[in-house]
Amino acid sequence: ILNVEQSPQSLHVQEGDSTNFTCSFPSSNFYALHWYRWETAKSPEALFVMTLNGDEKKKGRISATLNTKEGYSYLYIKGSQPEDSATYLCASLNTGTASKLTFGTGTRLQVTL
Amino acid sequence: NAGVTQTPKFQVLKTGQSMTLQCAQDMNHNSMYWYRQDPGMGLRLIYYSASEGTTDKGEVPNGYNVSRLNKREFSLRLESAAPSQTSVYFCASSVQAIYEQYFGPGTRLTVT
Repeated sequence: ILNVEQSPQSLHVQEGDSTNFTCSFPSSNFYALHWYRWETAKSPEALFVMTLNGDEKKKGRISATLNTKEGYSYLYIKGSQPEDSATYLCASLNTGTASKLTFGTGTRLQVTL
Repeated sequence: NAGVTQTPKFQVLKTGQSMTLQCAQDMNHNSMYWYRQDPGMGLRLIYYSASEGTTDKGEVPNGYNVSRLNKREFSLRLESAAPSQTSVYFCASSVQAIYEQYFGPGTRLTVT
């Protein structure tokens, strides 16, 4: 079983702050890294799928980077808003695990006014 | 498009009862998945189906069976429910494993 770890476990920021969190994953047999946004009482929704070392993806105020050699990805949120409050999940797909994503336990972000 | 639908939304079972959770997707996706979500544990894969006609065990398959009925539908069966199976169950689908997964609304199951 692969180990995908996310830090911090939870984060509380003020509106307008920029923030980032980390996902670490096994670098061996790496295939893809997924980021999902999960609001309370809803279902996870995909933010990014990243495959290449050095890849950077952006969607509005949210961006992500990928380092496959050392096995980590950062998710950045610029100018946090209350609607960014959610749990952010990362998941790793490694070739040794066939078709299975392994999820981390998430970073819970709360943005207050 | 409805995306991924799941039924039921809520269910209470007594220990030893059986039930089937239904999942359907209308996006013509090849791969479908069943996860359970427990506090502090994140999403854990129960079973998945990489393509129609195939199913494989995930991280926590014990106590469950699945059927990939056709390309659209993937059901999860609890033959003899146990309190340890109290959880929220999510079905998901994707074009293929590397691509983003689309999740259903979840089924909250309580086993007493």
